[in-house]
Amino acid sequence: EVQLVESGGGLVQPGGSLRLSCAASGFTFSSHWMHWVRQGPGKGLVWVSRINSDGSTTNYADSVEGRFTVSRDNAKNTLYLQMNSLRVEDTAVYYCARVLGRSSNSPFENWGQGTLVTVSS
Amino acid sequence: ETVMTQSPATLSVSPGERATLSCRASQTVSNNLAWYQQKPGQAPRLLIYGASTRATGIPGRFSGSGSGTEFTLTISSLQSEDFAVYYCQQYNNWPQTFGQGTKVEIK
Repeated sequence: EVQLVESGGGLVQPGGSLRLSCAASGFTFSSHWMHWVRQGPGKGLVWVSRINSDGSTTNYADSVEGRFTVSRDNAKNTLYLQMNSLRVEDTAVYYCARVLGRSSNSPFENWGQGTLVTVSS
Repeated sequence: ETVMTQSPATLSVSPGERATLSCRASQTVSNNLAWYQQKPGQAPRLLIYGASTRATGIPGRFSGSGSGTEFTLTISSLQSEDFAVYYCQQYNNWPQTFGQGTKVEIK
């Protein structure tokens, strides 16, 4: 069974940093693109970032470019999102997601339960 | 970026009735369109991909259609567990983008 378990969320002041983790199991982690998607309170889903299977290619939404960094450790089956210079508008539940198949242009077949990040003074 | 527009924002339906949800793309996405269901406090669940292919374990009452810029999700006979928010997503053009969601509520 595929499992994705996020951790690392919490309350942080504006300008602060957090690192989210997503522990993966039940599939060959090193074979799949992985994504981060966020959902603000009462809002819709917004794509944040993606990383290819070996970590050599990363992409970001304009809203987080230069502040967030996605990475992965395939030996530990773990995906990360380093978030710096956090803003109030970054407040959201952050989900990690595994794509269906192995293409970069694929829907999200599996999602974690999400971890809440709250940016507030 | 490709803007996805869903309608209506809220759909009130009685159990057992048919629900039809729409999703429009601002430019063509071919058939690279997915639908997700999200219940309160839960992560989204993939229902449909490739515009019309049901994901693993998804009941046959869910069906998708369309291509290019116009797409539809149909729930043939609503069950109590189907009341939720539904999102469409295009994954043809970078970045992948979601619609704003349609809430299906009990009438």
